[in-house]
Amino acid sequence: DVKVTQSSRYLVKRTGEKVFLECVQDMDHENMFWYRQDPGLGLRLIYFSYDVKMKEKGDIPEGYSVSREKKERFSLILESASTNQTSMYLCASSLALATNEKLFFGSGTQLSVL
Amino acid sequence: GDSVTQMEGPVTLSEEAFLTINCTYTATGYPSLFWYVQYPGEGLQLLLKATKADDKGSNKGFEATYRKETTSFHLEKGSVQVSDSAVYFCALGSARQLTFGSGTQLTVLP
Repeated sequence: DVKVTQSSRYLVKRTGEKVFLECVQDMDHENMFWYRQDPGLGLRLIYFSYDVKMKEKGDIPEGYSVSREKKERFSLILESASTNQTSMYLCASSLALATNEKLFFGSGTQLSVL
Repeated sequence: GDSVTQMEGPVTLSEEAFLTINCTYTATGYPSLFWYVQYPGEGLQLLLKATKADDKGSNKGFEATYRKETTSFHLEKGSVQVSDSAVYFCALGSARQLTFGSGTQLTVLP
C-alpha cells in the first residue's frame, strides 16, 4: 500500500515564524499536493507538483511556497506564519494527473499559529 | 469555475438506517466524480468513483450514480453501521486537480 507520511501530527508556532511542513511518499508517484482543511470549507488546494522542481499554484497559494527537490518529498513553507494559517494541512500523492486518478493522503498536520 | 455543493451536516442516524448524502456539481467538460471518507484522526481515503455519465461506483455497501442530467452524485447506503461514522467528501476531478465539497459529518448511533 502507498504510504504518505507527514512529519508532524501537531505543530504550534508563533506569528511571524517560518514554518516547514514535510511530506514523504514511498510509491514513486509523480504528483504531490498540499491541501488545507477548514470546517465548513472542505479541502482547498494550496500547491501541487507534477515533477521534481516543478510546482503549480492551486486555489489559495498566498502566504505559502513549496519545494520539491526529490521525487518522494514535497515541503510546504509558511514564510511568515499568521493566525489565519491555523488549519489542518493534508499532503497527498498520485501516480498521474488524469482526472480519474486516485489520491493517497497523509494523516494530516494540525498547525496552530499563536 | 468548477464547484461541488454537498449536503450540510452533521447527520446522525441509528444503526441500520438508510443513508443519503447529497452532492451536486458544476463543471465544464466531462469530469470524474469521487467520494472520499475521512475516519477520525486519519487522512482521506477513496471510497468510490465514477468516470462517466450513468456509471455507478460502489464499495463497502456504499453506492453513487453519476447523473449528468441532474449534475448529481449522491451517496447512499442501505444499512449504516457504527463503523461508518466519519466525514464524507464529494469531489470532482477535472483538468489537473480535484475540487472538494465541504464535507458531511456522519455519526451512527448503536
